[in-house]
Amino acid sequence: RKEVEQDPGPFNVPEGATVAFNCTYSNSASQSFFWYRQDCRKEPKLLMSVYSSGNEDGRFTAQLNRASQYISLLIRDSKLSDSATYLCVVRKPSGGYNKLIFGAGTRLAVHP
Amino acid sequence: GAGVSQSPRYKVAKRGQDVALRCDPISGHVSLFWYQQALGQGPEFLTYFQNEAQLDKSGLPSDRFFAERPEGSVSTLKIQRTQQEDSAVYLCASSLAWTQPQPQHFGDGTRLSIL
Repeated sequence: RKEVEQDPGPFNVPEGATVAFNCTYSNSASQSFFWYRQDCRKEPKLLMSVYSSGNEDGRFTAQLNRASQYISLLIRDSKLSDSATYLCVVRKPSGGYNKLIFGAGTRLAVHP
Repeated sequence: GAGVSQSPRYKVAKRGQDVALRCDPISGHVSLFWYQQALGQGPEFLTYFQNEAQLDKSGLPSDRFFAERPEGSVSTLKIQRTQQEDSAVYLCASSLAWTQPQPQHFGDGTRLSIL
C-alpha cells in the first residue's frame, strides 16, 4: 500500500463545476500537508498548504482530518486553466531532515 | 529567473549505456533532492544532499544509480547500464535550509527514454 493514496481520475467536468479531490495517508508521523499542481510535462508547483483548521485560497479550499488521516481539496467555479494533475503531498521527518511523499496525482480536465 | 536548472531537458539512450543528469540548484540552497517520476505516477524520492553530504540515498532503485554533489552546489545523477524501466522524468529540487521546513523548488526535469 502506498503511503499517500489518491483517486487517479480523470475527473472531466464542465466550466463552473465544483470538484473535490480526496487523499489518505498512512504514516501518522506526517507533519505537514500540501496540494501541488503539475501541468503536463512541467514540474510540480505548490498550490497550497493544508491546515487542520481548513484553509481557503480564492476558489480553492483544503481540509485536513488528522484523526482519519484524510486530506481534501475543493475547487469551486472550475476554469479551463484548472486542468492539470493535482498531487497530494505529505512531509515527514526523516533522519534530521524533512522528506516529501507524493501521491500519484488526480487528473482534472475542465471542458467548455 | 534564477530557479532550479536541469540539463539535458530530454535524453534518449540505448539500453546498457550510461547517462548523467545535471542539476543546478538555486544559489545558496543547502538542501538538494532528486526524484524519479514514472508516467502516471507522482514523484518518488531518490536521494537527499545537505551541502555536499549525501544524507539519504534510500530511494535509489539499485546500485546502478549514483548521485554526487562534490562542492555543495551542482549535483549529478548518474545511471549506469541503463534499463528500459529507468525511463522516467528525473526531477531535482532544492530548498534553502534543513533546520526548519522550507519549500522545495523544482526544476523542469530531465525526461529520460531508454530504447
